[in-house]
Amino acid sequence: AQKITQTQPGMFVQEKEAVTLDCTYDTSDPSYGLFWYKQPSSGEMIFLIYQGSYDQQNATEGRYSLNFQKARKSANLVISASQLGDSAMYFCAMREDAGGTSYGKLTFGQGTILTVHP
Amino acid sequence: KAGVTQTPRYLIKTRGQQVTLSCSPISGHRSVSWYQQTPGQGLQFLFEYFSETQRNKGNFPGRFSGRQFSNSRSEMNVSTLELGDSALYLCASSLGWGQGSYEQYFGPGTRLTVT
Repeated sequence: AQKITQTQPGMFVQEKEAVTLDCTYDTSDPSYGLFWYKQPSSGEMIFLIYQGSYDQQNATEGRYSLNFQKARKSANLVISASQLGDSAMYFCAMREDAGGTSYGKLTFGQGTILTVHP
Repeated sequence: KAGVTQTPRYLIKTRGQQVTLSCSPISGHRSVSWYQQTPGQGLQFLFEYFSETQRNKGNFPGRFSGRQFSNSRSEMNVSTLELGDSALYLCASSLGWGQGSYEQYFGPGTRLTVT
């Protein structure tokens, strides 16, 4: 079963508008973390935002916010005021604690290509 | 603070050869993870090292191996290269176990082409 599902292969948004990229996850581990990364055409993965499963508030980093709905197992990324430079592939990823045995292992979704139009 | 560096950035090898890729983590980071990215399989976890010990391993054949040195730099080796090993290999560094932070920062990757 897919642990991370990104159902939107591609998304389009007008410059300066907000956009939401969907991510649902599947885990039975009570302790886990969710990440969003941006990958421009250059290939480098750029860390955007992190949300821990026990965090009470939704994570925010500048124009990025993570809409964390634990009961629905969703962790959508919201980008406000889109810019042309936001055009890239976006990946949702999960780290499961596995009883403290798994620290640096991320499971990634298939990604969503975001295109920002002027 | 310098980011994660990976060398070489591009590599072309022939089937059957072996290759070694290098990753230098962010200063102070002690955990290094490796990932393979292909158009068909997406991003897949290879292995993770912390304090020179392999802590986790993904579902890859034994041809894929790695190690970490005392300065936290890591290398991965692929022996007997196959065409399907052509991929972008990404290294990520983080503070490490018990440090209270799980954020992983990626390097620019090594693009390996096997002919």
